[in-house]
Amino acid sequence: ELKVEQNPLFLSMQEGKNYTIYCNYSTTSDRLYWYRQDPGKSLESLFVLLSNGAVKQEGRLMASLDTKARLSTLHITAAVHDLSATYFCAVDVFNTDKLIFGTGTRLQVFP
Amino acid sequence: DVKVTQSSRYLVKRTGEKVFLECVQDMDHENMFWYRQDPGLGLRLIYFSYDVKMKEKGDIPEGYSVSREKKERFSLILESASTNQTSMYLCASSFEGGLAEAFFGQGTRLTVV
Repeated sequence: ELKVEQNPLFLSMQEGKNYTIYCNYSTTSDRLYWYRQDPGKSLESLFVLLSNGAVKQEGRLMASLDTKARLSTLHITAAVHDLSATYFCAVDVFNTDKLIFGTGTRLQVFP
Repeated sequence: DVKVTQSSRYLVKRTGEKVFLECVQDMDHENMFWYRQDPGLGLRLIYFSYDVKMKEKGDIPEGYSVSREKKERFSLILESASTNQTSMYLCASSFEGGLAEAFFGQGTRLTVV
């Protein structure tokens, strides 16, 4: 059974600080996706990572994928309050298009 | 703009009722998904469909069935609703091949009383 584990599950960080969210998965896949969910809202796509070594950046967020280690990271640089949300990673099982999500990381950024 | 539309935002149903949740996408996506989201458990896959009339069980299919008679529509059916099926249900769709992200509907919050 595929497991997708995120840690931490909850992250409270001060504005201006850096931090990394980790997404580990237990099966073969070259495709990993990051999503953001605001309270009461649905999920919106942040990054699509499609090969080993892929790195994508958007503003203060940078995502990377290491398929050999079965690990993706979402790095936050100089956090701001607007980044407060829940972040999910999702893995494409054996590259079959079937998406399995992690449990999510709830991020709170405070002044 | 991709649109994934779920038929209801909020639903309240009684225990034992048969419940239909509908999802329609307008981007000609091959893949469609149903997830449920519960606090602390993330999104759990109920069913996945990769083509019309084709489906695959996800991690928690018990108590649910699905129907995909047309490419744009994917229905989730709760055969006999129970209180432990009270949850947020999210529909998503994507192109085959995994080269692009899945797009999500706004969610249906189902309460079974």
